[in-house]
Amino acid sequence: KQEVTQIPAALSVPEGENLVLNCSFTDSAIYNLQWFRQDPGKGLTSLLLIQSSQREQTSGRLNASLDKSSGRSTLYIAASQPGDSATYLCARDNYGQNFVFGPGTRLSVLP
Amino acid sequence: DAGVTQSPTHLIKTRGQQVTLRCSPKSGHDTVSWYQQALGQGPQFIFQYYEEEERQRGNFPDRFSGHQFPNYSSELNVNALLLGDSALYLCASHTLRQGPPYEQYFGPGTRLTVT
Repeated sequence: KQEVTQIPAALSVPEGENLVLNCSFTDSAIYNLQWFRQDPGKGLTSLLLIQSSQREQTSGRLNASLDKSSGRSTLYIAASQPGDSATYLCARDNYGQNFVFGPGTRLSVLP
Repeated sequence: DAGVTQSPTHLIKTRGQQVTLRCSPKSGHDTVSWYQQALGQGPQFIFQYYEEEERQRGNFPDRFSGHQFPNYSSELNVNALLLGDSALYLCASHTLRQGPPYEQYFGPGTRLTVT
């Protein structure tokens, strides 16, 4: 059974800090790993998608890395802002089709 | 370019009733997936439709059924509602025509409450 775990479950940091969110998955036979942001009660916004042939992707203050051999991905957020407060979900694809999601990390950035 | 849209936004039903949720995929997408997200958890895959056929299914009972129309829009039907069906239902779309990676785009979701 494919599983995705995320640590920490929740994180509270002061504004301006750099932070790292962790995602672990079983079965290294993946095509994609995708990071999403979810605001309370809302849908998912795609942040970064890393293909299996890639090691990392960057978008603005966000950087995501992928290590298939260890079954891990990290999302790095630089210079955090209160607007970054949300739940961050990682998801691995299931043979390139539907996704298996982790439970998410709930982030609070305090002004 | 319209993204993935879902209707209704919120829905309240009684146990035993039936419900239909609707989804229109992002322009250019031909594949629709449905997910259930319980409070505090990650989304769980229900099923996926392509060319009006169910091509993949997660671990959900037959009370959950769906349909895809020729214009690629989709419906999720849930029969004999249980309290445990209360959740945010998310629709996602992508296209199979261009090959991997199959980046999925999500709609805003439908919040279903079963009382």
